[in-house]
Formats: sequence, structure tokens, C-alpha cells
Amino acid sequence: DVQMTQSPSSLSASVGDRVTITCRTSQRISTYLNWYQQKPGKAPKLLIYATSTLHSGVPSRFSGGGSGTEFTLTISSLQPEDFATYYCQQSFNTPRTFGPGTKVDVK
Amino acid sequence: QVQLQESGPGLVKPSQTLSLTCTVSGDSISSGTHYWTWIRQPAGEGLEWIGRISSSGVPTYNPSLKSRVTMSVDTSKNQFSLNLTSVSAADTAVYYCARERGFGGISAWGQGTLVSVSS
Repeated sequence: DVQMTQSPSSLSASVGDRVTITCRTSQRISTYLNWYQQKPGKAPKLLIYATSTLHSGVPSRFSGGGSGTEFTLTISSLQPEDFATYYCQQSFNTPRTFGPGTKVDVK
Repeated sequence: QVQLQESGPGLVKPSQTLSLTCTVSGDSISSGTHYWTWIRQPAGEGLEWIGRISSSGVPTYNPSLKSRVTMSVDTSKNQFSLNLTSVSAADTAVYYCARERGFGGISAWGQGTLVSVSS
């Protein structure tokens, strides 16, 4: 299985801040990396797929990058609705695996 | 706009079988362009991929659960199902059904259903 790690595990930020989350994989996965946002009591939502492609309807303040084994999710200017937990996931092979999550909360 | 809805018992006794069904609307399971997926999330924890099934009924399971999992599709009802045998408290979680676009991520999710394993 591809093992996933995320850093940090949590962060505190203010509205307007630039936020970057890093995801690392145990093996090279090309660009087969996706990002999800989950709010309490809700299902995750796809934000970015294939490392850097925004899913339909996702605001342009979200961006993704990286390749190989290190990937990033950046929120250029944090908005109130962005406080949530973010997960990375690899779609390079099965079983699909997810990172442990990064919780973004209010500073 | 695709919608997925999980249904099934919210309480299962230890050693019994957990059975869930996902009803899909707004897309055809038999269209062949997606995989139909089950994911679970214990309270306060991360996401675990249980497995997926193609529109032609070919399943792929997580090896960690493979001995206990069966998935199936019913194209006539536009539904797919999950069976997990010999459950224990460790299987207590919110179970999500979802639609995966292959390499393109999991683009649609059901709202999730909590299944508790308890006597």
C-alpha cells in the first residue's frame, strides 16, 4: 500500500492568511494525488484532482502542486468557510489510501 | 447532478453481517465511466477505502478487509451494495458510498450512514 503522511496535523490561521498543507507518499505516484475538504458531520468534498486540477465549482484560491512523493495544497487567502479538515488521497493504485488529515481552525 | 444515498441498518450485532445499499440518481451505474466505491470513517478518525466495483461488476477490495468484504451491483435498480461479515466494534464507523472517476478522484459522495456494532 502507498503510505500517506500530512503536515502539519493541525494549524491555526486567520481569515486572509495564506495556508499550505504538505502531503508525502511512501512511493512515487506521478501526479495521481487528490485533495478533499471535510467539515464536521459532512461527507468529504473533492477540491483538486491529479495534483493541480480544480474540481468543478471549487474557488480559485485553492491550488495544488508537486509530483513524485511530495505534494502541496495552498489556500491563497483563507475564507471563513475554509475552516475544515483536509485530506490527501492517492489514486495511483489500489487500495486507495488517504492521508491522516490536517485540521485548519481559527487562530 | 448525481446523488448517492446509503441505506441499511444502523446497528449490527458482533459477528453478524453488515449490509448497506447505495442508490444512485442522476447517473447510470452501467455507464461504464466510473467506479462505485465504499469508504468508512470511525468517529474522530480518518478515511479508509473499503473497495470499489466497476459497472460490469468487477470488484477490487482493500486487502485489509478482503476476507470479509463483498460488493455487488444491481444495474436494474441503479444500486450497489456492501456486505461486511463477522463484524466487531472496530467496524463501527460512518460508511460512505461514492463515485470515483478512476484517476480523477472521488467526485461524488453520499451523505454517509453511521453503523454501530454492539450487542
